[in-house]
Amino acid sequence: AQKITQTQPGMFVQEKEAVTLDCTYDTSDQSYGLFWYKQPSSGEMIFLIYQGSYDEQNATEGRYSLNFQKARKSANLVISASQLGDSAMYFCAMRDLMNYGGSQGNLIFGKGTKLSVKP
Amino acid sequence: DGGITQSPKYLFRKEGQNVTLSCEQNLNHDAMYWYRQDPGQGLRLIYYSQIVNDFQKGDIAEGYSVSREKKESFPLTVTSAQKNPTAFYLCASASGLYGYTFGSGTRLTVV
Repeated sequence: AQKITQTQPGMFVQEKEAVTLDCTYDTSDQSYGLFWYKQPSSGEMIFLIYQGSYDEQNATEGRYSLNFQKARKSANLVISASQLGDSAMYFCAMRDLMNYGGSQGNLIFGKGTKLSVKP
Repeated sequence: DGGITQSPKYLFRKEGQNVTLSCEQNLNHDAMYWYRQDPGQGLRLIYYSQIVNDFQKGDIAEGYSVSREKKESFPLTVTSAQKNPTAFYLCASASGLYGYTFGSGTRLTVV
């Protein structure tokens, strides 16, 4: 079964420093997509970054980058130059097409990492 | 602006009562989803619909029901059979390679 594991329940980082949030995944699919979302205390899920399994380059979006290591099945999120507004829950997710079908499948989520940025 | 609207933001349910959570999207997305989030947990799939008039059970469908009569709307009913309904509920829609969009959620509390 598809599975996402986030082993860090909580992380602290000093403002302006970089931080890495860990994510490992398990899938038997050859083609898959990995997502990172940010969930502030208000509750909405904000899309940050996407990595396709066949993408040769690591994805980057502004201060967010994804350290994709396919052989290790890891997709760690790196946030550079942390800001106070980065304090939130962060979720790693994987699209599961095999078990849910259709053209969109379903997103399988990890349990999340709570990031706290210290001034 | 296109997006997903969930209402109400907060909902209180008495024991034995059915309640319905609204989810409306104007993104023209075919696929829609309902997720449940408990403290310290990720999102778990309740129901999903890939097309109008069709929907499938997710991982935790017991005690919930849905309908998909219009492309824009995917309401979720929490029935009295759901014994522990207190949670945060998120609706999402999807289209394209990574076009998942989430609503702002409904927080349901049993009183």
